[in-house]
Amino acid sequence: DAGITQSPRHKVTETGTPVTLRCHQTENHRYMYWYRQDPGHGLRLIHYSYGVKDTDKGEVSDGYSVSRSKTEDFLLTLESATSSQTSVYFCAISWTGAGNTIYFGEGSWLTVV
Amino acid sequence: GQQLNQSPQSMFIQEGEDVSMNCTSSSIFNTWLWYKQDPGEGPVLLIALYKAGELTSNGRLTAQFGITRKDSFLNISASIPSDVGIYFCAGQLTGNTGKLIFGQGTTLQVKP
Repeated sequence: DAGITQSPRHKVTETGTPVTLRCHQTENHRYMYWYRQDPGHGLRLIHYSYGVKDTDKGEVSDGYSVSRSKTEDFLLTLESATSSQTSVYFCAISWTGAGNTIYFGEGSWLTVV
Repeated sequence: GQQLNQSPQSMFIQEGEDVSMNCTSSSIFNTWLWYKQDPGEGPVLLIALYKAGELTSNGRLTAQFGITRKDSFLNISASIPSDVGIYFCAGQLTGNTGKLIFGQGTTLQVKP
């Protein structure tokens, strides 16, 4: 267990509503990531952060925004949830990024109805 | 975008058998990671490889970083029922962001 807490762990929401997922780490790692996992697609990177207030897009960033106001928290926001965003979302952390291992949280199951 | 081709997609084996799975890509990676995921949980790191040609073991697991830096394999020896799960390879691209590209996963089932 790499000191990563995701919340909520499960959520059902309606189409068009905003949703925020939170990732909290106790490891003081610089890099944090949000991935989504879908059948047939494996894990795909949504956004990542390389420091406080420093973020960048991943391969599936459309419809998502992120914020990192302090080292330990990385928030993922769906501004207006759609059914295609029904997925399992994983937060991950890394000490230095490249050449370093990446540890995953336990996941947040989001259903958009 | 970059893709990792992981094979086989699934395996159903007898307890005690050895297992081999691999990942290939057209891209060069500077790190290869192998994860196992149990139902309802996040991926758990099994082995990390940082140098081309590197061969690393973790108990019954052995993984290698291909010489070309475009492939990696994972072997599990003498499989046991608790090896059941989905195994993912992940390649870390050159550069300093640490972004990972994942394979599609290999689902392993072990018959006691």
